[in-house]
Amino acid sequence: QVHLVESGGGLAKPGGSLRLSCEASGFSFGDYYMTWTRQAPGKGLEWVAYITSDGAGKYYADSVKGRFTISRDNAKKTMFLQINTLRVDDTGTYYCARWRGGFDFWGQGTLVTAS
Amino acid sequence: HSALTQPPSVSGSPGQSITISCSGTSSDIGNSDRVSWYQQSPGTVPKLLIYEVTERPSGVPDRFSGSKSGNTASLTISGLQLEDEADYYCSSFTRTSTIVFGTGTSLTVL
Repeated sequence: QVHLVESGGGLAKPGGSLRLSCEASGFSFGDYYMTWTRQAPGKGLEWVAYITSDGAGKYYADSVKGRFTISRDNAKKTMFLQINTLRVDDTGTYYCARWRGGFDFWGQGTLVTAS
Repeated sequence: HSALTQPPSVSGSPGQSITISCSGTSSDIGNSDRVSWYQQSPGTVPKLLIYEVTERPSGVPDRFSGSKSGNTASLTISGLQLEDEADYYCSSFTRTSTIVFGTGTSLTVL
């Protein structure tokens, strides 16, 4: 079955960097767009970025453009999110999800705290 | 791109039907067939309920249905059940190939 596992979250200082990973299994990873969405504590969902199946197309929310970089390694079935110039308002749980007309499968999330 | 607008809360009694609206613009909902809805119960991961405006993934009960008119999408839950109490979010692709979520709606089943 489809399984997505995020890692790489943790505590970092404002201005710092983190690299999140999302390891996929149970489906043909290279055939799907993949996405990152975040949720601040007690708040709603905020789309962060997505990457096309071949990695050529990368799209970002205005709030992270220029600071975050999405990438993927189809051979390793893994997607990444490089977070630079971390801000306090980047704090939240970061979910990776597969995109197929909607976010059809989600990971359990990894918590990023900027403090 | 601004978040789509949803009512903060709705409520209903078991067995009733409720509708949650999701208001956007001609740059998102009005120009996209990739409108989707999600259910998130406390402490859990969001779950896809509806994709491409009206389609239901396998395993989602047909009590959940989606529609769209102009710049507004709607999620209708019929035969409300206690287990439907959760937060609901809409989402849409935009004209600039980005994605936007709604502000979220808390459903209370009385």
